[in-house]
Amino acid sequence: AQSVSQHNHHVILSEAASLELGCNYSYGGTVNLFWYVQYPGQHLQLLLKYFSGDPLVKGIKGFEAEFIKSKFSFNLRKPSVQWSDTAEYFCAVNAAAGNKLTFGGGTRVLVKP
Amino acid sequence: NAGVMQNPRHLVRRRGQEARLRCSPVKGHSHVYWYRQLPEEGLKFMVYLQKENIIDESGMPKERFSAEFPKEGPSILRIQQVVRGDSAAYFCASSRGQIENTGELFFGEGSRLTVL
Repeated sequence: AQSVSQHNHHVILSEAASLELGCNYSYGGTVNLFWYVQYPGQHLQLLLKYFSGDPLVKGIKGFEAEFIKSKFSFNLRKPSVQWSDTAEYFCAVNAAAGNKLTFGGGTRVLVKP
Repeated sequence: NAGVMQNPRHLVRRRGQEARLRCSPVKGHSHVYWYRQLPEEGLKFMVYLQKENIIDESGMPKERFSAEFPKEGPSILRIQQVVRGDSAAYFCASSRGQIENTGELFFGEGSRLTVL
């Protein structure tokens, strides 16, 4: 069975700082990878996804993620965060030909103005 | 995209009562997923349905929980004889097709169940 782990439960940083959130998954086959974000009081929405091709994926709002197959990782990055990036971030995996997303435990990010 | 509608947003039940959570997917979406988020935990898959069919219920507790997605109307997640441990946020998501093809789930804002 596939599983996803996110290393940090809580991250606090100041505006303009760089952000990197770790995500590792356990599944030996081909996977599709996702990062979702949940802003306070809102529903989850897709930040970016990787299916194939360039392992460096660009998403909305200046986020990017890099798929490193040898490390089973899909870390999320943003060079300079803003206060509006305060949210909870979820990494998710779908085994190719699978029919569900498996989510990590989430990382709560607080950006101080 | 806030096209997935869930209701009620908040539900309070006493132990032993029944909870019914409803989910209307994005118009045109025929695939519905239910997830549960316990306090301080991530989203856990419960069940995946297509119209009138349960495709994968591997995440559903064996007892007291059931789900349906009828030909007409919303998907329903039903919890009978609720216990305190059922207190959680229940999220519904929909997609136009299978995840491997469409690549995205659209989520509702969740239904928060509190069991007293």
